[in-house]
Amino acid sequence: EVQLVESGGGLSQPGGSLRLSCAASGFTVSRNSMSWVRQAPGKGLEWVSMSYSGASTNYADSVKGRFTVSRDNSKDTLFLQMNSLGAEDTAVYYCALTENWSGRGSYEYWGQGILVTVSS
Amino acid sequence: DIQMTQSPSSVSASVGDRVTISCRASQGINSWLAWYQQKPGKAPTLLIYAASSLQSGVPSRFSGSGSGTDFTLTISSLQPEDLATYYCQQSKSFPITFGQGTRLEIK
Repeated sequence: EVQLVESGGGLSQPGGSLRLSCAASGFTVSRNSMSWVRQAPGKGLEWVSMSYSGASTNYADSVKGRFTVSRDNSKDTLFLQMNSLGAEDTAVYYCALTENWSGRGSYEYWGQGILVTVSS
Repeated sequence: DIQMTQSPSSVSASVGDRVTISCRASQGINSWLAWYQQKPGKAPTLLIYAASSLQSGVPSRFSGSGSGTDFTLTISSLQPEDLATYYCQQSKSFPITFGQGTRLEIK
């Protein structure tokens, strides 16, 4: 069974940093592309970043230059380093897995989400 | 960026009703469209991929159609457990974008 479990969220002051982790089980991270998607309180879904199985990455303009996605294939874990946080980054962050991005373009598995709150 | 616009923003229907939700892309996306269901307090789950392919394990009352710019999610016979917000998502080009969501309420 595929499971994704996020951790590392919490409260950060404006301008601060947090590092989210997404631990995967039931599949091999190195073979799959994965994304971070966030949802501000009471709002819709916003795509944040993509980490391809081949190590390339892609980012939303709203986080480009501030957020960095990476992975540790040996630990089947995806990371999101978030710097220069602002109130607009307050959201539940989900990691999501795509089994076949080039063929389906969809996210088949999602973590339970982790709350990030940016406030002084 | 490709904008995704869903309509209606909310809908109320009775158990057994047929419900349709529309999603329009600001430019052609072929069939690079997925639909997700998000129940209150939960993560999204995939319903439909490639515009009309039913994800494994999803009840057959859910179906998707369309290509190009106009897409539809249909629930053929609404069930109480379908109370949720539904999102469309395009993957034709980056940035990946979602519709604003359609909240489905049960009368």
